[in-house]
Amino acid sequence: KAGVTQTPRYLIKTRGQQVTLSCSPISGHRSVSWYQQTPGQGLQFLFEYFSETQRNKGNFPGRFSGRQFSNSRSEMNVSTLELGDSALYLCASSNRTGGSEQYFGPGTRLTVT
Amino acid sequence: AQSVTQLGSHVSVSEGALVLLRCNYSSSVPPYLFWYVQYPNQGLQLLLKYTTGATLVKGINGFEAEFKKSETSFHLTKPSAHMSDAAEYFCAVTLGFQKLVFGTGTRLLVSP
Repeated sequence: KAGVTQTPRYLIKTRGQQVTLSCSPISGHRSVSWYQQTPGQGLQFLFEYFSETQRNKGNFPGRFSGRQFSNSRSEMNVSTLELGDSALYLCASSNRTGGSEQYFGPGTRLTVT
Repeated sequence: AQSVTQLGSHVSVSEGALVLLRCNYSSSVPPYLFWYVQYPNQGLQLLLKYTTGATLVKGINGFEAEFKKSETSFHLTKPSAHMSDAAEYFCAVTLGFQKLVFGTGTRLLVSP
């Protein structure tokens, strides 16, 4: 099976812009979770989608949003980008909702200037 | 709420030496526990997991971990370190139907 894929792998944006990241889970997996990884805060949970519904949400501002499509692919959107949003954004898929065994993609490195 | 603490942000070992990465968890009920490894510029790869059953769990690349309820620990070990083991390791906990909570990570340095 193909693994979790994320596009794009690298992205440079300017403060105030918005960005959309994409994640394609492993075939058959219906849960997609998003994480933000920074040197200072470590790995922080953003949200989880299962069967197109948001099941869990982390403690991030409303500028961070996501959605999941009927084919389980997921997108994450960040509006009004801030310098502090520079991070590695990781997507993980699972065949169950919640914190079961998750398989991670390579991540999207977002740099905000 | 559940949480994990990883003692030591950096651990240095010589090639061939024992690897011991520490993880303690906090949970009001028996948790599910995981160890992940992250190589530079890559995502996280699952090393091993404990859900129920045998408390000694064997994973990939020769790693293993033991769930010790009395000590609330899930330390990761490998008898003999290899240069390719140099990476960052994350311990994570969940109660099953809630989000994964990760520790702050331990960077393993392996010297020749």
